[in-house]
Amino acid sequence: SQQGEEDPQALSIQEGENATMNCSYKTSINNLQWYRQNSGRGLVHLILIRSNEREKHSGRLRVTLDTSKKSSSLLITASRAADTASYFCALDQTGANNLFFGTGTRLTVIP
Amino acid sequence: DTAVSQTPKYLVTQMGNDKSIKCEQNLGHDTMYWYKQDSKKFLKIMFSYNNKELIINETVPNRFSPKSPDKAHLNLHINSLELGDSAVYFCASSQEGGLGRQFFGPGTRLTVL
Repeated sequence: SQQGEEDPQALSIQEGENATMNCSYKTSINNLQWYRQNSGRGLVHLILIRSNEREKHSGRLRVTLDTSKKSSSLLITASRAADTASYFCALDQTGANNLFFGTGTRLTVIP
Repeated sequence: DTAVSQTPKYLVTQMGNDKSIKCEQNLGHDTMYWYKQDSKKFLKIMFSYNNKELIINETVPNRFSPKSPDKAHLNLHINSLELGDSAVYFCASSQEGGLGRQFFGPGTRLTVL
């Protein structure tokens, strides 16, 4: 499969808690990206991590990448109700000209 | 100003009809894409255009045809619509092809009756 697979498929947490979602893949990548999709909206880019990077931060977001295990994780700290959305990982595969998106994790943050 | 815009937002039509969805980006990007998102939220690449040349053509039916009049526009034409074409279609653009971040439009929800 060329796409990533997110885990879990759905996650429900209380406001203020941390949310962790994972992405596993099977191919070689140039970079891995995370996107957010609010209900009824287009995808919004969150963060890009290159294959030679292991960790990246952006505000309350922390992304890790383990190319030996072919996996990435997205951590959202101190979650807010506004973080409720679907989160997708996207793979920039070696030799490909487009991104391959996973099936997404549906995050619900309860106020 | 909206970076990537699509029209219409909703499209309801009968089987067998021909329809078009328009996309425009004002970011000056070189590459534009069309994706199909099904009811299970799976996002699949359909086409991309780089400087008016088709560089990806995934295994989509030839009833679907992208048309790019200029670098800022990539329209999607669909002939002989089928029930299975019902989905949300997203346009996107990027500066670096598949290597960089992509900017998505708001989507067009197509319902075929």
